[in-house]
Amino acid sequence: QVHIVQSGAEVKKPGASVNVSCRASGYALTKYAMHWVRQAPGQRPEWMGWINPDNGKTYYSQTFRDRITISRDTSAATAYMELTSLRSEDTAVYYCARETNWGYWSFDLWGRGTLVSVSS
Amino acid sequence: QSLLTQPPSVSGAPGQRVTLSCTGNRSNIGAVYGANWYQHLPGAAPKLLIYNNNNRPSGVPARFSASKSGTSASLVIAGLQAEDEADYYCQSFDTSVSAPVFGGGTKLTVL
Repeated sequence: QVHIVQSGAEVKKPGASVNVSCRASGYALTKYAMHWVRQAPGQRPEWMGWINPDNGKTYYSQTFRDRITISRDTSAATAYMELTSLRSEDTAVYYCARETNWGYWSFDLWGRGTLVSVSS
Repeated sequence: QSLLTQPPSVSGAPGQRVTLSCTGNRSNIGAVYGANWYQHLPGAAPKLLIYNNNNRPSGVPARFSASKSGTSASLVIAGLQAEDEADYYCQSFDTSVSAPVFGGGTKLTVL
């Protein structure tokens, strides 16, 4: 069965960093781009960036460019997203999403999300 | 402006047909990549329903269909079922910001 396994919920204080992981199960991580999308309460989903797990190349949204690092460990079939200098507005559910190989910037497989709560 | 606009809510009775709309512009829906649609049930992983305006991935029932006209897209759900009650999001790639963008979502209530 093909799915993405995300790490568990996190509670962080302002100024801290968070690392969220996504493990590919049932498919080869390196065959598909992996994107990160977050959704804050009551807000629309917001795209954060993506990684080509095959060569490790990344591309980040301008919004997060100074605070985000996406990486991968191919031996663990896992992609990671680190967000630094957290603030309360970063409280959201963070998703990883596999991009289809058909183009069109569509995402055919998503994790169930990781809730990150930022509070003092 | 790279945002996609969706009505906050829509409702329909079981068996009915509903249409969800998504309005963009020439930089996103009106551009080459068109619109994708997702179904999101609370606590679950979002599910791709439609890609590239009107294509259904394998396993998505035929009662889900979609189209694009100019800078707007529509998702039609025929033969509404209770299990269709969910949030529906449109998404595109915006060439002006070189990034995927999402609509604000439409909550579908099955009466």
